[in-house]
Amino acid sequence: DAKTTQPPSMDCAEGRAANLPCNHSTISGNEYVYWYRQIHSQGPQYIIHGLKNNETNEMASLIITEDRKSSTLILPHATLRDTAVYYCIGAGGTSYGKLTFGQGTILTVHP
Amino acid sequence: DAGVIQSPRHEVTEMGQEVTLRCKPISGHDYLFWYRQTMMRGLELLIYFNNNVPIDDSGMPEDRFSAKMPNASFSTLKIQPSEPRDSAVYFCASSLDRAGYTEAFFGQGTRLTVV
Repeated sequence: DAKTTQPPSMDCAEGRAANLPCNHSTISGNEYVYWYRQIHSQGPQYIIHGLKNNETNEMASLIITEDRKSSTLILPHATLRDTAVYYCIGAGGTSYGKLTFGQGTILTVHP
Repeated sequence: DAGVIQSPRHEVTEMGQEVTLRCKPISGHDYLFWYRQTMMRGLELLIYFNNNVPIDDSGMPEDRFSAKMPNASFSTLKIQPSEPRDSAVYFCASSLDRAGYTEAFFGQGTRLTVV
């Protein structure tokens, strides 16, 4: 699995966009970038994934740089319920299915 | 589907006792994962199965831990004998093989306390 680096914590005002960065400079060509989040005391929840192209779903957008060495998860209008630990994971290829979680980013959304 | 179901939700046991955690994956999913989460070590992958076969158990901490998946709808994680340092939240997750990527669904976890 690719090693990922995320800031330990970030703050965001409610209603504003939250932009969470992730560095994955060692990611291989066939590894996906996944984002999960974990709200206190719950199991992690899948948010979005991507390989090369930018992706958007009902929860978030994922912007992957052209060299694939970094990405940004965007929550367009953060709410208090988005306060959670956000994990960026690089996985796939020969380790298909194996999701290795790092320390993640603690996102705190303020009123 | 009710999602991934784990039981029990909470378990308190004495050191030296056997502990069995149970997981029912989402019907039709062909991958099953066991994770452990502590404040010190975060989320650790212990073992995962594909089509009921263990694929990677390199995260299993020691021989006291064992996991089985006798059929597609049930898995167990057993600790024998249990020790206080095994206290953690244990998560089970399942996913479906989808052309190169995996979206894992997690259960609510079992909070294990070994005293």
